[in-house]
Amino acid sequence: DTGVSQDPRHKITKRGQNVTFRCDPISEHNRLYWYRQTLGQGPEFLTYFQNEAQLEKSRLLSDRFSAERPKGSFSTLEIQRTEQGDSAMYLCASSQTASNYGYTFGSGTRLTVV
Amino acid sequence: AQRVTQPEKLLSVFKGAPVELKCNYSYSGSPELFWYVQYSRQRLQLLLRHISRESIKGFTADLNKGETSFHLKKPFAQEEDSAMYYCALKAGANSKLTFGKGITLSVRP
Repeated sequence: DTGVSQDPRHKITKRGQNVTFRCDPISEHNRLYWYRQTLGQGPEFLTYFQNEAQLEKSRLLSDRFSAERPKGSFSTLEIQRTEQGDSAMYLCASSQTASNYGYTFGSGTRLTVV
Repeated sequence: AQRVTQPEKLLSVFKGAPVELKCNYSYSGSPELFWYVQYSRQRLQLLLRHISRESIKGFTADLNKGETSFHLKKPFAQEEDSAMYYCALKAGANSKLTFGKGITLSVRP
């Protein structure tokens, strides 16, 4: 286990297309988080899972966004009908429940909508 | 709702100079505070946590509840400290991390 993995690293898509990103957390971590980061901003929380349950969603997560973690292991984040404003770095992180060690982040998926 | 403010976007210092990266927070309870660092072309990684009161790579940060601050300090900056630094807050052990906008530290030779 080499940490949190995200795939793909980069994605360029045309406006209106659907995209899906994958995150593989550290295997013993039961919490998984999705963040979005745009230029000049810190990471903004989107949603998180504890095992397979989605416990919280940000109001940033419009109905075009959906996330799943079907077996409590990897997670997918899908954006439907992409818009240029969706262009950002999408970060995944994982942690143990109630950990005060913070999160371990992946390298991110950079989405460009043209 | 909790908020983290990093008032400066860029700090540029010469090697050997002291560094203080400011972080202020807004939260009515007892927060957990963190500093994360992102070196060029690397992923975001934890630098230090207030709860451990540790010094990492010569950096320290003290939680000041009266001033609601968690400034990051280093007495003598090194070129390898050049990176993006983010202050982050957890409103309890089961809460999510809320990040500030970050500050770029540039250490010149």
